Amino acid sequence: DVKVTQSSRYLVKRTGEKVFLECVQDMDHENMFWYRQDPGLGLRLIYFSYDVKMKEKGDIPEGYSVSREKKERFSLILESASTNQTSMYLCASTPRGAWESPQHFGDGTRLSIL
Amino acid sequence: GQNIDQPTEMTATEGAIVQINCTYQTSGFNGLFWYQQHAGEAPTFLSYNVLDGLEEKGRFSSFLSRSKGYSYLLLKELQMKDSASYLCAVRDKDSGYALNFGKGTSLLVTP
Repeated sequence: DVKVTQSSRYLVKRTGEKVFLECVQDMDHENMFWYRQDPGLGLRLIYFSYDVKMKEKGDIPEGYSVSREKKERFSLILESASTNQTSMYLCASTPRGAWESPQHFGDGTRLSIL
Repeated sequence: GQNIDQPTEMTATEGAIVQINCTYQTSGFNGLFWYQQHAGEAPTFLSYNVLDGLEEKGRFSSFLSRSKGYSYLLLKELQMKDSASYLCAVRDKDSGYALNFGKGTSLLVTP
């Protein structure tokens, strides 16, 4: 079974802090994704990566950056956290070349910015 | 971009059948996924459609009509544990492996 692990289930940070959310997958997947999920808005794509050192902007990249130094790890960075970034953050991965393969999700990090 | 529409909420009775619809607009359709998400948990994969027709998987089936930009998820013999959100997600040829999700349909199964 694919395992996608997010470092924290719950996180509380203060406005202006630099926040790191970590995601690790154990299936050697090339593609990794970061979403946020908000009531009434669904899942929205922040950033994604197709390989080490590669990154692509999703639909709502403003205020975020990412890092992919190793294939199994994809980090989401909030450069200067703001209250409107309070949300559930979900990481996902999928292999390259298998279009029918679904994205596998981690359990999510519920982030509160005070 | 893509517009994906699903009903916000639905209610059905245990043992019944329910159909959750999803309509989408995209210039280069390249697959549609359905996910189930229980409250506080990660989305889990239910089905994938890329060609027209019905895909059956136990109590769950998913249908696709590419010409109509339409899919539905059919849940039979509803159980209380089927109370969850159901997410429709579409992949576009221009977006590679990325998915665009609808806002989800919250299904409540009542006794």
